[in-house]
Amino acid sequence: AQKVTQAQTEISVVEKEDVTLDCVYETRDTTYYLFWYKQPPSGELVFLIRRNSFDEQNEISGRYSWNFQKSTSSFNFTITASQVVDSAVYFCALSEGDTGGFKTIFGAGTRLFVKA
Amino acid sequence: EAGVVQSPRYKIIEKKQPVAFWCNPISGHNTLYWYLQNLGQGPELLIRYENEEAVDDSQLPKDRFSAERLKGVDSTLKIQPAELGDSAVYLCASRSGNTGELFFGEGSRLTVL
Repeated sequence: AQKVTQAQTEISVVEKEDVTLDCVYETRDTTYYLFWYKQPPSGELVFLIRRNSFDEQNEISGRYSWNFQKSTSSFNFTITASQVVDSAVYFCALSEGDTGGFKTIFGAGTRLFVKA
Repeated sequence: EAGVVQSPRYKIIEKKQPVAFWCNPISGHNTLYWYLQNLGQGPELLIRYENEEAVDDSQLPKDRFSAERLKGVDSTLKIQPAELGDSAVYLCASRSGNTGELFFGEGSRLTVL
């Protein structure tokens, strides 16, 4: 069965601090996809990144970076030099390919507060 | 390109009343999802369509919830009768193919009194 765990319910940082959001997943498939979405106060979920199970290369996009480690079933998200505009709820998601029919399930989310 | 459009944005009804939500996905996206999001939680899948076929409705409470996507484009999600516990945000999402990211609408926030 597929499962996504985001153990951090809320994180509060001061602007310019670095922050890492943790995501641990469970799947029996060999083909799967991992995602991060951002949900600002306006409510619409915005896609940030997708990773497939065969590509463990870490990725950096501006102040955002992602660390995918299959050995620990983790897909962590780091924001460098956080800004107030980063305040939102962040969701990690998993989509299984082999047996899951590509159903996408979400973690419970981590609410990030960035204070000025 | 227009995004996923949902309506209404907000709906307040009394319990036992019916309610319907509408979703128009991104043009060309064959896969459409309805998710339920309770306060402080992640989205939970209700139903997934591939074109007009519901391929995963195992999480849809079929005694009161129904959905349709008759022409494989826009979709309607209905609740009849609504219960207090149905108060939540109903999210629609679409994607092209099986492996891409989901594109979400702004959601329909339901309050049942």
